[in-house]
Amino acid sequence: KAGVTQTPRYLIKTRGQQVTLSCSPISGHRSVSWYQQTPGQGLQFLFEYFSETQRNKGNFPGRFSGRQFSNSRSEMNVSTLELGDSALYLCASSLQGIVDEQYFGPGTRLTVT
Amino acid sequence: GENVEQHPSTLSVQEGDSAVIKCTYSDSASNYFPWYKQELGKRPQLIIDIRSNVGEKKDQRIAVTLNKTAKHFSLHITETQPEDSAVYFCAAKGRFRNDYKLSFGAGTTVTVRA
Repeated sequence: KAGVTQTPRYLIKTRGQQVTLSCSPISGHRSVSWYQQTPGQGLQFLFEYFSETQRNKGNFPGRFSGRQFSNSRSEMNVSTLELGDSALYLCASSLQGIVDEQYFGPGTRLTVT
Repeated sequence: GENVEQHPSTLSVQEGDSAVIKCTYSDSASNYFPWYKQELGKRPQLIIDIRSNVGEKKDQRIAVTLNKTAKHFSLHITETQPEDSAVYFCAAKGRFRNDYKLSFGAGTTVTVRA
């Protein structure tokens, strides 16, 4: 089975811009979760989508949003980028959701200048 | 919301010795506790998990123990090898407002000295 893929792998944006990241889960997985990884804050849960519906949400501002398509592919959007949004954004797919093994993608490295 | 604390932040052990990482959590309703290993430049991978109806789980050289009363769980790696060098994250599934989320500890960088 192909693993979780994320595009793009690297991205440089300017403050105030918006960005869309994409995640393709393992075939058959209906749950996609998004995480932000930074050296200071570690891994922080953004949200989880299951069957095209947001099922769980972490403690991030409304500038962070997402969606999931009928083929389980998911996108994450960050609007009005801030310097502090610079991070590695990881998505993970699983069969049942956050109580199941999370298979992580390689991540998208976002740099905001 | 759930708060997970992980100690120590760094751990250096001699090859063949044991390594122990401890995590505490705040939400008494948490019922799922996975451990992930992240090697340098790679994605996190699940190494072991435990659910609240079990006190201990073992998988070869790795074991996890859970004390629900004290709200802490630990990862034990025995007979450490150089390939065990990585960052280890604990996590707990807990409630956040009306949702659930997986809260991660800050990570422990384990270095196994040959």
